[in-house]
This record gives sequence, structure tokens and C-alpha cells, in this order.
Amino acid sequence: GQQLNQSPQSMFIQEGEDVSMNCTSSSIFNTWLWYKQDPGEGPVLLIALYKAGELTSNGRLTAQFGITRKDSFLNISASIPSDVGIYFCAGRTGTASKLTFGTGTRLQVTL
Amino acid sequence: NAGVTQTPKFQVLKTGQSMTLQCAQDMNHEYMSWYRQDPGMGLRLIHYSVGAGITDQGEVPNGYNVSRSTTEDFPLRLLSAAPSQTSVYFCASSPRVYGNQPQHFGDGTRLSIL
Repeated sequence: GQQLNQSPQSMFIQEGEDVSMNCTSSSIFNTWLWYKQDPGEGPVLLIALYKAGELTSNGRLTAQFGITRKDSFLNISASIPSDVGIYFCAGRTGTASKLTFGTGTRLQVTL
Repeated sequence: NAGVTQTPKFQVLKTGQSMTLQCAQDMNHEYMSWYRQDPGMGLRLIHYSVGAGITDQGEVPNGYNVSRSTTEDFPLRLLSAAPSQTSVYFCASSPRVYGNQPQHFGDGTRLSIL
């Protein structure tokens, strides 16, 4: 099946730093989604991208849909302690709702 | 508006026992799905449904059954639990099967098989 490679696997950063993570695929996707998961909870949608080259922001978060449609990037600016969690990318092909998830990036923020 | 509700939140089973994980959504969503989450492997699709009476297999369907008798409910059944099914299970829904609406997740069921 399709695989999404997400990197880095984990990050330890200081409060106030910027964060970048990415997701690459061997297949083309027509939708990219970024989710955040807090401990003990389900993933929560952060940003949805629907068009190659699209750049979308949600507060301090910015995500981009790669031109090749095989990758996506998520940036977090000026990190704060509540940014701690696991960030997942997810891709969708065709028009069905089935998603393929990346393996996640675990973010730790130190004061 | 409760969104996607999963019960129970935690469960411990013995090998060979059967169990049904419940999932309900009150948003009249067409599409519902079940994922399992294991360390280092992200979320993997088990089964999904595009509407009442219609279900299909995902990436890892073996050992699990589903049914969709109503739009609101999508239970996941383990007929004979195995230790390899120890995982966190998430149910998700989205408004339409076809379209750009993203999926919304429940808070998960943490299942341990001894």
C-alpha cells in the first residue's frame, strides 16, 4: 500500500523557536491534511490543503502542498509549550475519504 | 453537539474473548471509519463505511468485523481477541464520501489483550 514518510520522528526545541517538519510519498495525493494529537486524545485537524502549490496558514502554523503532489510541509513559528504533541500528515487520493497517515513527528518544547 | 463518541475509553480482554467497540456520530456524516494506532506506525485503516448498509475493508481488516445499520453508529467487533490486537482504536467520520471535507476523530479506545 501507499506509504508516507514523515520526518523528523521527534524534535526537542526551546520555546520561541520555529519548527519545520515534512511528509513525502511515493504516490501522488490530491489532498494533504495535517493533524495534531495530544496525549490521550484523538487527532485534531490543523490544516487542510487541496491544491498543488497551495500555502495555507492557521495562526502560527503554515503548511504547503508540494508542487509534485508527493510532499507537504508544516511550519510552526515561535513555538509555545502547548505545541507539544504528535503531528501527523495524511494524504488522500482520488475523491474517496480514505486517508493514508504518516508515522508522526513527536514535538517536545522546553522552557 | 457531541461529535464522534467512542466507548469504552479503556478495556482489558483475555485472549479469545470477544468485544465490540462502539462509535457514534451525531453530525449526519456519510463516511465513517476505524483506525488502529500502534507505536511508530501512525494510524492504519481497518474498515470503513460510505453509508448505512455499506462497509468495506481497509489496510488491516483481519480479525475485525463491522456493520453500519444506521447512519449514526459504526461498531467494530473483535470476534476472538489476540495479543496482536492490543492497540489504540480511533473512529472517524466525514460529511461526505466524495469531496474535500476532512475527517473528525473520536478520543479513542485503549484496548489491551492479555
